[in-house]
Amino acid sequence: GAGVSQTPSNKVTEKGKYVELRCDPISGHTALYWYRQSLGQGPEFLIYFQGTGAADDSGLPNDRFFAVRPEGSVSTLKIQRTERGDSAVYLCASSPTGGGMNTEAFFGQGTRLTVV
Amino acid sequence: GDSVTQMEGPVTLSEEAFLTINCTYTATGYPSLFWYVQYPGEGLQLLLKATKADDKGSNKGFEATYRKETTSFHLEKGSVQVSDSAVYFCALSVKTSYDKVIFGPGTSLSVIP
Repeated sequence: GAGVSQTPSNKVTEKGKYVELRCDPISGHTALYWYRQSLGQGPEFLIYFQGTGAADDSGLPNDRFFAVRPEGSVSTLKIQRTERGDSAVYLCASSPTGGGMNTEAFFGQGTRLTVV
Repeated sequence: GDSVTQMEGPVTLSEEAFLTINCTYTATGYPSLFWYVQYPGEGLQLLLKATKADDKGSNKGFEATYRKETTSFHLEKGSVQVSDSAVYFCALSVKTSYDKVIFGPGTSLSVIP
């Protein structure tokens, strides 16, 4: 597709379970970002990839959260031992370079995660 | 740290009314400033941006001017339409080695016919 694709669009999981959220960025975009948007709040930065490497993971809230991008394209956000406080919309964005060029980041529609 | 503050919503306006959504920021250095919009059921979209002081961003009838002296980037539109109903996010991009965007909390706008 032409845009950033995130799957699944909705995920309900039980407390304590493991979940994976997938992001397919726009083809050719080297920069990829994950954000988390809680109800009534703006998106909060989680992690940034340039190519295959996580260049900044300072926004990950704790060690239950991990993300990978093994081939520099698709990324997976992994959450272990989910907690009810993890419930949020997880947004992925990609941009052509991410090299401080203030290029536009294109967002996916997000995955709504609900932990029950 | 770097942050964005914007007026609380929800904001309800009649069609053709004038819109202002206030936004102020705190940042080290000279960030780029953005307004993003999230229409119901859709992803975040960049509405407009300004990269330096006194720049005016504009798109779809919306405007915002980068005011360094007041650290503000207020969003305005002269005549809103029902289709403008959405959540609007003010944001800044800190000048690091990449485009890390920091968002405000969002302002929900409802335009009624």
